[in-house]
Amino acid sequence: QQQVKQSPQSLIVQKGGISIINCAYENTAFDYFPWYQQFPGKGPALLIAIRPDVSEKKEGRFTISFNKSAKQFSLHIMDSQPGDSATYFCAPRLGSARQLTFGSGTQLTVLP
Amino acid sequence: DTAVSQTPKYLVTQMGNDKSIKCEQNLGHDTMYWYKQDSKKFLKIMFSYNNKELIINETVPNRFSPKSPDKAHLNLHINSLELGDSAVYFCASSQGRNTGELFFGEGSRLTVL
Repeated sequence: QQQVKQSPQSLIVQKGGISIINCAYENTAFDYFPWYQQFPGKGPALLIAIRPDVSEKKEGRFTISFNKSAKQFSLHIMDSQPGDSATYFCAPRLGSARQLTFGSGTQLTVLP
Repeated sequence: DTAVSQTPKYLVTQMGNDKSIKCEQNLGHDTMYWYKQDSKKFLKIMFSYNNKELIINETVPNRFSPKSPDKAHLNLHINSLELGDSAVYFCASSQGRNTGELFFGEGSRLTVL
């Protein structure tokens, strides 16, 4: 799991603010870069994902920025809402192994 | 109608006991997984089955034995439970082996006393 380093571990943002979570990876064999969202008492669910041939993908208030040369990708949540409070995981896919490598998670709290 | 369902949701047991967790998915997927989430929320894959065939078997004590009677079911049996087995176990499914989209159940919280 040291192949993936996620930061910060926790994040507190005011309602309406921007939340940014980063994921750095080492293995250049990763070929798909998803973010998962997990609410308390629930399983993780795919939030948004990007392929390495694209530098940015936006879905509503959620944006992934991907920097292949720096081996980093980040999740931006615009206009953060209290309902966004959850744990977020980056989980790049190792294509050859056909499995996801989960980051350590970021607990986001959006204050009302 | 729940897509990936696990039973039981909570499990409290003594050290040394044997327990099972059941998982069923109604999504028509051909690949199922077991993940373990520890107290720090660290998620680690344990097993993966594709069309009832074991394809991923991470370094997991052999006290853990998965069983897939059919594509829609993947059960996890744990023998001789230890304190360190306390965690939340998640079942997940996907369509295909090489996908980044997994559908997770709500988890089964196992507490070993």
